[in-house]
Amino acid sequence: DQQVKQNSPSLSVQEGRISILNCDYTNSMFDYFLWYKKYPAEGPTFLISISSIKDKNEDGRFTVFLNKSAKHLSLHIVPSQPGDSAVYFCAASHDSGNTPLVFGKGTRLSVIA
Amino acid sequence: DARVTQTPRHKVTEMGQEVTMRCQPILGHNTVFWYRQTMMQGLELLAYFRNRAPLDDSGMPKDRFSAEMPDATLATLKIQPSEPRDSAVYFCASGLSGGVYGYTFGSGTRLTVV
Repeated sequence: DQQVKQNSPSLSVQEGRISILNCDYTNSMFDYFLWYKKYPAEGPTFLISISSIKDKNEDGRFTVFLNKSAKHLSLHIVPSQPGDSAVYFCAASHDSGNTPLVFGKGTRLSVIA
Repeated sequence: DARVTQTPRHKVTEMGQEVTMRCQPILGHNTVFWYRQTMMQGLELLAYFRNRAPLDDSGMPKDRFSAEMPDATLATLKIQPSEPRDSAVYFCASGLSGGVYGYTFGSGTRLTVV
């Protein structure tokens, strides 16, 4: 049973537009959520995180939104750039990040110039 | 830049052979994870250690996989005997407890068992 779900395997966006990647979770014990970015032949790299006590966290072009009642989070990238083309993984943990991350299966983002 | 180092980067082996993957976590990090990435399952946790003590290895096939941390600078993942279904990319990650800044992943070991 997948506790973290990314229902869109892929997404294509034009350069300069907004990219919105979505993630749903089922475990109400999760209290910390992260997004990772992965390029081919590299390991995932940490992008941005959010605690369950917040509903938004922003870092430059990247913003993560959390809707606890819907058990849903999203990553917004504005404006999208060709270098953002990668696989994005949503991850969650509980106990304030002390437990291992549970990952979704990823969404491949292609930003078209 | 501090990084997690994994060796080898690529490994091709015959079914039945022993495979050992190594990981050097970032100095000072007290938590080490082993994840496996496959097309079907995505990133799945195999095992993790905190302060070198194994906390959870329930994600590993116990009869063939073993994970150890002989010291704070080395984590190993062994498969014996290896099977074609073990073909995947194996990632090591390290971080501090309460990883509010996430965990740092290595570049992975791509294992192919033929």
